[in-house]
Formats: sequence, C-alpha cells, structure tokens
Amino acid sequence: EAQVTQNPRYLITVTGKKLTVTCSQNMNHEYMSWYRQDPGLGLRQIYYSMNVEVTDKGDVPEGYKVSRKEKRNFPLILESPSPNQTSLYFCASSAGTGLFWGYTFGSGTRLTVV
Amino acid sequence: AQSVTQPDIHITVSEGASLELRCNYSYGATPYLFWYVQSPGQGLQLLLKYFSGDTLVQGIKGFEAEFKRSQSSFNLRKPSVHWSDAAEYFCAVNNAGNMLTFGGGTRLMVKP
Repeated sequence: EAQVTQNPRYLITVTGKKLTVTCSQNMNHEYMSWYRQDPGLGLRQIYYSMNVEVTDKGDVPEGYKVSRKEKRNFPLILESPSPNQTSLYFCASSAGTGLFWGYTFGSGTRLTVV
Repeated sequence: AQSVTQPDIHITVSEGASLELRCNYSYGATPYLFWYVQSPGQGLQLLLKYFSGDTLVQGIKGFEAEFKRSQSSFNLRKPSVHWSDAAEYFCAVNNAGNMLTFGGGTRLMVKP
C-alpha cells in the first residue's frame, strides 16, 4: 500500500531534550515536506526537500532541522525543543512532476513539549 | 506573498442539507487550487484540485468546487451532506514548485 509513515504518533517530552520524528514513504517520491498544524492557522510548512541531499526552509523553520540522505526518509529533528513547538506535525510527499497528483500525507505526530 | 482565507472556522449543517465552504486566495496569477479533508485523528486526503480549464471541478465523495477568478474564490460544495462528512476541510494554493499554502481550515459538524 502506498503510504507515508510517521513515527511516533504521540510524543511527550521535556524542554531541551533532543528528539527526532521519522518519516518514510514507499512511493519513490522525489519531494517531501514537513508541516505543523495549529488551531486556526492551518498547516504551515517547516522544511521541504526536492530530492536527496536537497533541502530548503519553508515558512516556519526556526528550531527545526531536517536531512534527506535517502530518497524514502525525511526525518524532522528538534535539537532543543521548546513549549511553542507543541503541535501536530505532518509529513507529506509528492511525485517529482509536481503537485498534479497531490500530496500524500502521513497520519501525523502529536508532540507535547513541557 | 500568497495567502488563503477560509472565513468560516466552524459550520454546522443538517444531514441531507447542501453545503458550501468558502475559500478566498490572494495571488497575482492563476494558482493551482486544492481542497483537502482531515477526518479526526487522520492525515489530510485530497478531495479535488483545479489546475486549468473547466472552472467547475469534481472530486471524490460527491464534492465539487468552482473557481471564480473575478472573486478570487474556490468554494467547495456538496448537494447533500452525510454524517460521515463531518471533518475539517482545508483549502490550499500552490504558486510555484511543490509548495502549498493552506487556509486555517473549516470544521464541519453534521446534525442528525
């Protein structure tokens, strides 16, 4: 089944403790992206990657890092999480031809930073 | 910068009634437009998209949307709502590459 898999689904952590949220897709998509969803703000893009070793900032990159060493994986790294990073996070991917086929989204990771 | 506005944060309709969710965008050229649905605890699923051509587009689950350039709108409609349509709906616009800008979302509740 074609899908984007995120782990973990739920995570509670303390301020300053480094964490990684994993994202993996099995569709051989070139493009991958991370979004955060906050009430009333919709989804805002954190980082995206056009292909292996090619990443760039989205609208809200501060406090986050990403890497794209393999085509299928695009982990999101919070080096020193803070409470304002408490949010629902989504990973998404799309084919290299652009948005014609639409994004495929993961099921989300709900992160709470205390 | 492009932006997307969904004026209605919450909408409640009765089952069987018609539905229209509003979406307005600001962008100089004709953008690519999308509607996504998010069921509770789930990721986003693409309902429909507009790239060019016919301004009325059909999507999955009986939804349709109409692109009106003069009003910078891309409203989502359904003639008869089912209880399973209760979810949050997001309008999104793309201007270049693969970047999407999302609206704030509209939460739909369906009364029996």
